[in-house]
Amino acid sequence: EDKVVQSPLSLVVHEGDTVTLNCSYEVTNFRSLLWYKQEKKAPTFLFMLTSSGIEKKSGRLSSILDKKELFSILNITATQTGDSAVYLCAVEGRETSGSRLTFGEGTQLTVNP
Amino acid sequence: GAGVSQSPSNKVTEKGKDVELRCDPISGHTALYWYRQSLGQGLEFLIYFQGNSAPDKSGLPSDRFSAERTGGSVSTLTIQRTQQEDSAVYLCASSFQRVGANTQYFGPGTRLTVL
Repeated sequence: EDKVVQSPLSLVVHEGDTVTLNCSYEVTNFRSLLWYKQEKKAPTFLFMLTSSGIEKKSGRLSSILDKKELFSILNITATQTGDSAVYLCAVEGRETSGSRLTFGEGTQLTVNP
Repeated sequence: GAGVSQSPSNKVTEKGKDVELRCDPISGHTALYWYRQSLGQGLEFLIYFQGNSAPDKSGLPSDRFSAERTGGSVSTLTIQRTQQEDSAVYLCASSFQRVGANTQYFGPGTRLTVL
């Protein structure tokens, strides 16, 4: 059974701090790892990672994948209150009939002014 | 362009009633997924449709849950004889189905409350 574990489960920081969110996984026939930001109901897509060691970057957010050690990190620099959200990590495994995402429980990030 | 849409946005029902939740995927997306998220929990996979293939129903928690996808587009998730533990946000997602990549785009969800 595919498994995704995120840590920490919750994190409280002050504006301007840098945070690192962790995601470790076990998956059959790995295809990709995805990060999502969930503020209210629907998660919004941040990054998709398929290759080890290649950093994806978008503004103050960046992410990297280590397929040997089976983990990914999501970094947020110079945090802002608008970064407060649940950050979800998901892995895509290849099933015989297609593919499916398995999600971690998420990291609840709170950025205080 | 238009994203994934879901209706209703909120549904309050009494225990034992049936409910139907609707999902309109992004036009052209061949894959459609249903998930649910209980309070404070991660996303739980329910069911997956891909083109004309038989759906992957392995995540449905009981036989009270069923889903259809008509014409390869709109999907309806039906919960019969609702129970209080069915209360959750039900999320639908769609994607193109490509080898090596499967970015799913989510709808806003339906918050179901069973009294």
